[in-house]
Amino acid sequence: GENVEQHPSTLSVQEGDSAVIKCTYSDSASNYFPWYKQELGKGPQLIIDIRSNVGEKKDQRIAVTLNKTAKHFSLHITETQPEDSAVYFCAASMRNNNDMRFGAGTRLTVKP
Amino acid sequence: DTEVTQTPKHLVMGMTNKKSLKCEQHMGHRAMYWYKQKAKKPPELMFVYSYEKLSINESVPSRFSPECPNSSLLNLHLHALQPEDSALYLCASSQELATTGELFFGEGSRLTVL
Repeated sequence: GENVEQHPSTLSVQEGDSAVIKCTYSDSASNYFPWYKQELGKGPQLIIDIRSNVGEKKDQRIAVTLNKTAKHFSLHITETQPEDSAVYFCAASMRNNNDMRFGAGTRLTVKP
Repeated sequence: DTEVTQTPKHLVMGMTNKKSLKCEQHMGHRAMYWYKQKAKKPPELMFVYSYEKLSINESVPSRFSPECPNSSLLNLHLHALQPEDSALYLCASSQELATTGELFFGEGSRLTVL
């Protein structure tokens, strides 16, 4: 089955700096890669996703890149703000949401 | 505000109790999910319902019993739980099961088993 590894487990940055979180996946058949943000006491919320026919996607301060050959994808957050502080999960799936595998999560802290 | 509503937000129960967690969505989604999340861990899939039929049971112990009364509601009945079952239980929904797309999560029900 699919295995998703996520690094780093914790990340601390100064407000205004960029943050990068990286994930690797094992199954070359995976074709959907979402990123979820989970704030304290809340459920995960989708912030951006990318499909295997695209190499990069951007939404304001958030971007995701996908390297299918190397089987890794990354989340980039620019101009970080304190409200970006949360746990971020990457995920990968092949066919549908019941085979989605989550990474272990990255706790991002943005210091004002 | 989340469009998936879960109740109760917090639940404390003894090992001999019977309780239920409830989940509701009004987005017209046809797939609904139960996930279990332990502290500092990612969500783990427990059950999937598609068109009100149980589609997936990820080898969950029988002390957890899901129920989907209609397309908007999903329950998780709890009986004879163990302390290690203490966790955040997340409900989610998506438009369809057979496509890769956004999962909408509720805020979760935090369960403590004494």
